[in-house]
Amino acid sequence: RKEVEQDPGPFNVPEGATVAFNCTYSNSASQSFFWYRQDCRKEPKLLMSVYSSGNEDGRFTAQLNRASQYISLLIRDSKLSDSATYLCVVNRGNQGGKLIFGQGTELSVKP
Amino acid sequence: NAGVTQTPKFQVLKTGQSMTLQCAQDMNHEYMSWYRQDPGMGLRLIHYSVGAGITDQGEVPNGYNVSRSTTEDFPLRLLSAAPSQTSVYFCASSAGGVGGPTNEKLFFGSGTQLSVL
Repeated sequence: RKEVEQDPGPFNVPEGATVAFNCTYSNSASQSFFWYRQDCRKEPKLLMSVYSSGNEDGRFTAQLNRASQYISLLIRDSKLSDSATYLCVVNRGNQGGKLIFGQGTELSVKP
Repeated sequence: NAGVTQTPKFQVLKTGQSMTLQCAQDMNHEYMSWYRQDPGMGLRLIHYSVGAGITDQGEVPNGYNVSRSTTEDFPLRLLSAAPSQTSVYFCASSAGGVGGPTNEKLFFGSGTQLSVL
């Protein structure tokens, strides 16, 4: 079993739809959590960090449930430009550099 | 505003050849790491470093060596390339240390497409 697992994709949704991605992690010592976005095999870029209380950035909402070792990302009012692969990332410990990626979930937003 | 510079962008090797992928960052980041990305596998951590002179293994270290003689540079060496090492390689850095997620934000290089025949 992978240490970080994501919903298998791809997700094909119409513009304006709401879509949710789920991610689970197996290492209970994990300290920090993130969502990254990757376009067409280019380098990943940080979308948002995930905080215990949940956090929102415009159309994007991230939630963390430590008890269930579960992270989610909600995208509201999907845009064509949201089409990308979304990567769930977990830090095993309390140091940077030891970040473990999920396999990614591909999102395709159609007109 | 260079950030993380990775070279080369493309490389073709024959089985058994050796090569070094170069990675340099100009942000004075303590943490640097190497990932490989294969279809359907996401990014997998090869090796990482928490500072000059300190390196550690990630998820898939076999077949790769690293060293960190300076804060800026973190080269990845393939001593005897194998077809299984055909992949896209990404170098990344972060400020690291205590301070929470802000310090852990990864800055990536643009990647190296490596093919081993």
